[in-house]
Amino acid sequence: IAGITQAPTSQILAAGRRMTLRCTQDMRHNAMYWYRQDLGLGLRLIHYSNTAGTTGKGEVPDGYSVSRANTDDFPLTLASAVPSQTSVYFCASSDSPGTSGKQYFGPGTRLTVT
Amino acid sequence: GQNIDQPTEMTATEGAIVQINCTYQTSGFNGLFWYQQHAGEAPTFLSYNVLDGLEEKGRFSSFLSRSKGYSYLLLKELQMKDSASYLCAVRDSNYQLIWGAGTKLIIKP
Repeated sequence: IAGITQAPTSQILAAGRRMTLRCTQDMRHNAMYWYRQDLGLGLRLIHYSNTAGTTGKGEVPDGYSVSRANTDDFPLTLASAVPSQTSVYFCASSDSPGTSGKQYFGPGTRLTVT
Repeated sequence: GQNIDQPTEMTATEGAIVQINCTYQTSGFNGLFWYQQHAGEAPTFLSYNVLDGLEEKGRFSSFLSRSKGYSYLLLKELQMKDSASYLCAVRDSNYQLIWGAGTKLIIKP
């Protein structure tokens, strides 16, 4: 693989169910991010990780959790999905937040919570 | 609060020039980014400005004025494939990106 992959591509989920969105990068980037994108709004940061073993909360972290056990993987978990979490989710990575910071994005996961 | 403003939608003609403006108010400034996003796809990087002035890259140029909290993206010789949303983002004092809602650019033949 080259770049960032996300799985699944799309998902319909019943409210109250638990769901993990997967994200893997092979660029050995230190920093990784999860965003959600909703119509009429900018990308909003959910959680981020500046390096393996550390995570931080973004603008809209409630209802989501992340882990960063290694450099490559950064899964996002919805513990108990609600309809307001219907969105397109993008994972991104960058070599370091303190450098140019150019972010590379995965193809996205389209999630519908019913 | 932090705010990034850009027009919601713009229309231009194939072969013409279009300027997409972005104004920002953020807690700190560590660079401004422009990304392109085609419908149903992921954003892709276009340009990065951290100092005042114009950065030119082929048909695309980006300008920054830090004192005015202002940037623009200039697209020349428009092609149909340039139909996309253009996202402005500012990196704040925590080195996180604050994103505008994007400008949808429609190119007409």
